[in-house]
Amino acid sequence: AQSVSQHNHHVILSEAASLELGCNYSYGGTVNLFWYVQYPGQHLQLLLKYFSGDPLVKGIKGFEAEFIKSKFSFNLRKPSVQWSDTAEYFCAVNARNDMRFGAGTRLTVKP
Amino acid sequence: ETGVTQTPRHLVMGMTNKKSLKCEQHLGHNAMYWYKQSAKKPLELMFVYSLEERVENNSVPSRFSPECPNSSHLFLHLHTLQPEDSALYLCASSPSGGPRELFFGEGSRLTVL
Repeated sequence: AQSVSQHNHHVILSEAASLELGCNYSYGGTVNLFWYVQYPGQHLQLLLKYFSGDPLVKGIKGFEAEFIKSKFSFNLRKPSVQWSDTAEYFCAVNARNDMRFGAGTRLTVKP
Repeated sequence: ETGVTQTPRHLVMGMTNKKSLKCEQHLGHNAMYWYKQSAKKPLELMFVYSLEERVENNSVPSRFSPECPNSSHLFLHLHTLQPEDSALYLCASSPSGGPRELFFGEGSRLTVL
């Protein structure tokens, strides 16, 4: 079965710092890739998704992610974080209709 | 407002109780899911229903029993749970087929005493 790895469990940044959260998956075939965000006390919501085409995808709130097929990676980036980005971020991979999530990365942004 | 509504938001039950979690989606989707979210673990897929038929059951103990009476409603019946079943239970829906972008509810926080 495929798996999804998020290497950082907790990231702490100051406002305006740049962010990169790692995501790697194990499946070798065609995949659809997602990043979800869960703000404190709120539901999981979609940040961005990759289905095909340009491997650099842009999402809401200034987030972007790059699909690198050779590295089985889909890292999430934001050039300048804000305090309001404090949340938990989940990478998800759908392969052959089997959706798997990573364990999540908690991001704390200090004002 | 997510389009996926879960009730109750919080539930405390003893190990001998029987309770149910309810999920309702207003998005016109044909697939619905139950996930278990525990701290520091990946979301665990429990059940998938597509067009009201169960299509996936990931070796979930029988003390969890799903029910999908129609494409808009999904239940998770709970019976004789264990303290380790305490978690956030998330319902999600998606259009059937395709890449399955999921739309989540806010979850039901379950505590088993």
